[in-house]
Amino acid sequence: DVKVTQSSRYLVKRTGEKVFLECVQDMDHENMFWYRQDPGLGLRLIYFSYDVKMKEKGDIPEGYSVSREKKERFSLILESASTNQTSMYLCASTQSSTSVNEQFFGPGTRLTVL
Amino acid sequence: GENVEQHPSTLSVQEGDSAVIKCTYSDSASNYFPWYKQELGKRPQLIIDIRSNVGEKKDQRIAVTLNKTAKHFSLHITETQPEDSAVYFCAASRRRRALTFGSGTRLQVQP
Repeated sequence: DVKVTQSSRYLVKRTGEKVFLECVQDMDHENMFWYRQDPGLGLRLIYFSYDVKMKEKGDIPEGYSVSREKKERFSLILESASTNQTSMYLCASTQSSTSVNEQFFGPGTRLTVL
Repeated sequence: GENVEQHPSTLSVQEGDSAVIKCTYSDSASNYFPWYKQELGKRPQLIIDIRSNVGEKKDQRIAVTLNKTAKHFSLHITETQPEDSAVYFCAASRRRRALTFGSGTRLQVQP
């Protein structure tokens, strides 16, 4: 079974703080993704990585950065947290192949920025 | 970039009835269309997917149809049960194996 884990289920931070969300997968997947989930908006892609040290912007990258130093770990960084970044953050991974395949999701981190 | 629209946003059916959720996509290069189910407080999980070289796929009570010409695809659930109650997301593939998701449909099955 693929296992995708996230460092925290719940996180409360203050405006202006630097926030790190970590995601780890144990299936040697090349591709990893960060989404945020808000009611009525679905899952929106923030950033993704298709290899170690490689990253690409998704649809809503503003205010976020990412780091992929090791294949199994993908970190999302909020450089200076703001209240509009209060959301559920989901990490996902998928194997690399000649075609697109199932993404496996982590349990999510519910971030509240006060 | 890719845009995926999903309707309806909420759907309430009686147990045993069928439910249909529809999605449209904008990028004709998309070739993979998964559907995810997210139960309350849980992570999204894949329930069925279809590739662009196939028009229909079935798995027990769940089926997905794809119309490439019209750029729309649909999820059909027959003989609904209370445990089908969840939020359902459609998605379409984009570059580098990423996905664009629809906004979700909250399905409620009334016993």
